[in-house]
Amino acid sequence: QVTLKESGPALVKPTQTLTLTCTFSGFSLSTSGMRVSWIRQPPGKALEWLARIDWDDDEYYNTSLKTRLTISKDTSKNQVVLTMTNMEPVDTATYYCARSPSPVSYYMDVWGKGTTVTVSS
Amino acid sequence: QSVLTQPPSVSGAPGQRVIISCTGSSSNIGAGYDVHWYQQFPGTAPKLLIYVNTNRPSGVPDRFSGSKSGTSASLAITGLQAEDEADYYCQSYDISRIGVFGTGTKVTVL
Repeated sequence: QVTLKESGPALVKPTQTLTLTCTFSGFSLSTSGMRVSWIRQPPGKALEWLARIDWDDDEYYNTSLKTRLTISKDTSKNQVVLTMTNMEPVDTATYYCARSPSPVSYYMDVWGKGTTVTVSS
Repeated sequence: QSVLTQPPSVSGAPGQRVIISCTGSSSNIGAGYDVHWYQQFPGTAPKLLIYVNTNRPSGVPDRFSGSKSGTSASLAITGLQAEDEADYYCQSYDISRIGVFGTGTKVTVL
């Protein structure tokens, strides 16, 4: 059974750096074609794709947020970490991680339940 | 941030057919990238509904179907049921090598 779970602080102050961890089971990120993405959803708004890391360590970032985001993986711990610098109130959202199992397409077949992050002083 | 455009809302009576459109551009759907659809109930994570344009994951009822043509895609719900009331998002890929989502559509069952 494939599962993913997001963890991190529920509250961060403006200008701080957010660090989120996605801990997964049931698959290996060293398997060819496997990918893990981060997506967020502000309250009442649409989904926004943030970043992705692939089995071969390739990294991809939302163009608008690229300067603030870093994604990394620890294959031995089955974890993917996302850091976002210089947090602002507009970054308040539920953050999800999700798996993409296909080497030729980019759908996300299993999602974590999400973690809610509020940015406020 | 969304680069795929969906109608904000669609509605229909039980048993009717509703269609949700997803309009992209030559840099994403029109570039040949697949379209996928997700269903999201309030307070829960999105769930994969349709992948690679037309495919249903195991357990998804066959009243849900997807199609793609040119720079657009559509999700059809045939035989609308009360339990289908949810938000629906399309998703594709962009030539800039990033994922893109639609603006989202709320389906209301009258």
